[in-house]
Amino acid sequence: RKEVEQDPGPFNVPEGATVAFNCTYSNSASQSFFWYRQDCRKEPKLLMSVYSSGNEDGRFTAQLNRASQYISLLIRDSKLSDSATYLCVVRRDFGNEKLTFGTGTRLTIIP
Amino acid sequence: DTGVSQDPRHKITKRGQNVTFRCDPISEHNRLYWYRQTLGQGPEFLTYFQNEAQLEKSRLLSDRFSAERPKGSFSTLEIQRTEQGDSAMYLCASKTGGAGYNEQFFGPGTRLTVL
Repeated sequence: RKEVEQDPGPFNVPEGATVAFNCTYSNSASQSFFWYRQDCRKEPKLLMSVYSSGNEDGRFTAQLNRASQYISLLIRDSKLSDSATYLCVVRRDFGNEKLTFGTGTRLTIIP
Repeated sequence: DTGVSQDPRHKITKRGQNVTFRCDPISEHNRLYWYRQTLGQGPEFLTYFQNEAQLEKSRLLSDRFSAERPKGSFSTLEIQRTEQGDSAMYLCASKTGGAGYNEQFFGPGTRLTVL
């Protein structure tokens, strides 16, 4: 079983729609959680950190449920520029602090 | 541009050849990571340096792979006797150490194609 599991999609949604991504992780030692965005043939870039209390950044809302080992990302009022792959990422906050990525979920916003 | 640079950006080689990639991290970052990303997958951790010391290597890093960071600044990743399965994007990332969360910044990657 992979340490971080995501639905690979693709998700094709109309502009203006709300889209939700889910992710589960298996290592309960994971302590920090993130969503990264990766455009085609580019490097991953941090979109937002994810906190147990939930956090929001504009149209983006992230949630963490430690009991269920579940992470989510909600994008409201989607824009064409949101088309990308969204990677769920976990990290243990000790030792090497390496990032463990999910496979990513491909999102295409349709005009 | 995150400030992490990688060279070359693309490399095409024939099976059996050796290749070397370079990563220049953000100058004040003492931690440097190499990841590999194949098509349809997320990046996978390969190895990690703190300053010049290589502190961890993934099981993905076979004995054909070697990485160095000789002066705690730039790093090189060499693959000997390349195989078609080595075709991937090789990503370098750097971060500062210390307490609290410090973001890993990724370079643009080196895309390797082994024919």
